[in-house]
Amino acid sequence: GAVVSQHPSRVICKSGTSVKIECRSLDFQATTMFWYRQFPKQSLMLMATSNEGSKATYEQGVEKDKFLINHASLTLSTLTVTSAHPEDSSFYICSARTDRANWETQYFGPGTRLLVL
Amino acid sequence: GQQVMQIPQYQHVQEGEDFTTYCNSSTTLSNIQWYKQRPGGHPVFLIQLVKSGEVKKQKRLTFQFGEAKKNSSLHITATQTTDVGTYFCAGRNNDMRFGAGTRLTVKP
Repeated sequence: GAVVSQHPSRVICKSGTSVKIECRSLDFQATTMFWYRQFPKQSLMLMATSNEGSKATYEQGVEKDKFLINHASLTLSTLTVTSAHPEDSSFYICSARTDRANWETQYFGPGTRLLVL
Repeated sequence: GQQVMQIPQYQHVQEGEDFTTYCNSSTTLSNIQWYKQRPGGHPVFLIQLVKSGEVKKQKRLTFQFGEAKKNSSLHITATQTTDVGTYFCAGRNNDMRFGAGTRLTVKP
């Protein structure tokens, strides 16, 4: 089956620093990748959608200058949390889709837990 | 702003009983998606509904999209222990909003 990996799985950083999270599709090419945020025991929040080679589309209320997304290749997307603060602490999950017209080809990564001190 | 409400928050059933979770939106949706997340696991996409009144089935799971495209339901017939997890709906208007999820536990 399709596998999506994320790195790192956990990261602790100091307030004010930037953190980069990678999302890779290991055995397929992802035309579209998505970034989500999930608070403990809470629901998901879609942050942005990125298509390879183009700028990400951010959901309302998500600061694009705060959460920089790069989708430079068909197998890699990165999320950079810039000038992180404790309120950015969360579980960040990516997903990748092989077919833009078919949501059933969407596969999720295992997530990255970010703790900002 | 757009809100997606999901009920119930928790549901505990005996194995073999049916289960239903409901989503209601404050605005008309262009589509609605359903996801399942097992305890400690990552979400899994289940289905997307687009058309008014649409009904789709996946084995024991039945998904419905309301005529007004403001509500949706997921019904599981004869639950099994493998159905345990949290079921989320996600509705899109201008942006995508997830419901809070319904956590299903199944007693063998």
